[in-house]
Formats: sequence, C-alpha cells, structure tokens
Amino acid sequence: EDQVTQSPEALRLQEGESSSLNCSYTVSGLRGLFWYRQDPGKGPEFLFTLYSAGEEKEKERLKATLTKKESFLHITAPKPEDSATYLCAVQLTNSGGYQKVTFGIGTKLQVIP
Amino acid sequence: DGGITQSPKYLFRKEGQNVTLSCEQNLNHDAMYWYRQDPGQGLRLIYYSQIVNDFQKGDIAEGYSVSREKKESFPLTVTSAQKNPTAFYLCASSIRVSGGSNQPQHFGDGTRLSIL
Repeated sequence: EDQVTQSPEALRLQEGESSSLNCSYTVSGLRGLFWYRQDPGKGPEFLFTLYSAGEEKEKERLKATLTKKESFLHITAPKPEDSATYLCAVQLTNSGGYQKVTFGIGTKLQVIP
Repeated sequence: DGGITQSPKYLFRKEGQNVTLSCEQNLNHDAMYWYRQDPGQGLRLIYYSQIVNDFQKGDIAEGYSVSREKKESFPLTVTSAQKNPTAFYLCASSIRVSGGSNQPQHFGDGTRLSIL
C-alpha cells in the first residue's frame, strides 16, 4: 500500500533554531512531491514541487530536498510567523490526466519567540 | 486576484438533512477536487472532476454527491446517508495534467461542517 509518513508529528523550536521536517514515502511510480503550509482554519498553501532525486527548491527560510525514499523541509533561523502545519503530498499516477495525490498527516511546527 | 472561494465558512447540519458546500474558482483550471480533513488523518479524496460534466468518485465518496455544470464551479452535497459528516472540507483545483507534467493543486480556505 502506498504510504506517506511525516515526522515528527509536532516540533517546537526557539526562534532562530534551525531544524528539518521529514517526509518518507513507500510508493511506486512517484511523479512528484509537494510541500504545503497550512495555518489553523485555512486551506493548504502550496510551497514547492520536487520531481526527481537530488532536486532542491528554496523560498526564504525554507529549503526542500528530495531523495529516492524521502524529502526534507529544512527551516533555517525560523521566526514565529513560520508556525504552521506543514503537509507533504506525493503524486503517484498520471492516468488520463488525473493526478492521484496522497497526503501525509503533517508536522505541526511552533516557533517560540 | 485569482483563487478558490469556498462558502460558507461554517455550516451546521440537522439529522436527515442534505447540505451543499460551494466551491468557485477563477483560475481557469480544468480539474477540481473535494477533500475531507479529519484530525490525525491526511486529506482524503471524496470526488474529483477533470472536465465539465464529468466527475469520478474518490476514496470516500459514499454519502456525498457532486455536479460540474460549469468550469468554475464544483459544489459538494453532503447527504443524510453520510453518518459522520463532521469534518473540515477542502476544495482544490489544478491545471489538467497532460504529457507527463505535474501541477500542484491549489486550495480554498475550507468549510467546517458540524452536526446540530
């Protein structure tokens, strides 16, 4: 069964304390991996798409990387406004134009001033 | 600004009642999706539509129905047959995937449905 596992479930950081979130997957035929940020009571906000192992994407304090089995979201010198739940999703098939996407449960990040 | 609008933000359902959640997008996307989000679970796909007048069941379609009469609109009806409807419902849209290209889904801000 295709699975997406995110760890840790929750992470509490001091402002400026860098860390990484993990997304591991056991799927066949990975077509792409997406990272989203979700604030409480809001819909997920798209951050990055990664397509192949070795690829990296950056946006402000966030950097996403991808290997054959997992992806990391590195947060450098986080600020309180980075507090949110970060979701990972994998796109598995591309049949007839439909992209089946499986989401992880997310990592809830809290950055303390 | 282009985006996805879901309404209402909060909705309450009585026993035996059907309720409809609205989703409108002005991104000119062909594909639209409905997900359900519950605490401790990843987003689960209810229905999706790749083109007007066509839609397919997702992983948890029982107790739900949809229509796609216009490109911009993809309403979801939660019927009385859905015995556990309390959840956060998210609508998404994307460029229709073709030729191996992979496009992210973009989400609205959700509707929270509760039982009275």
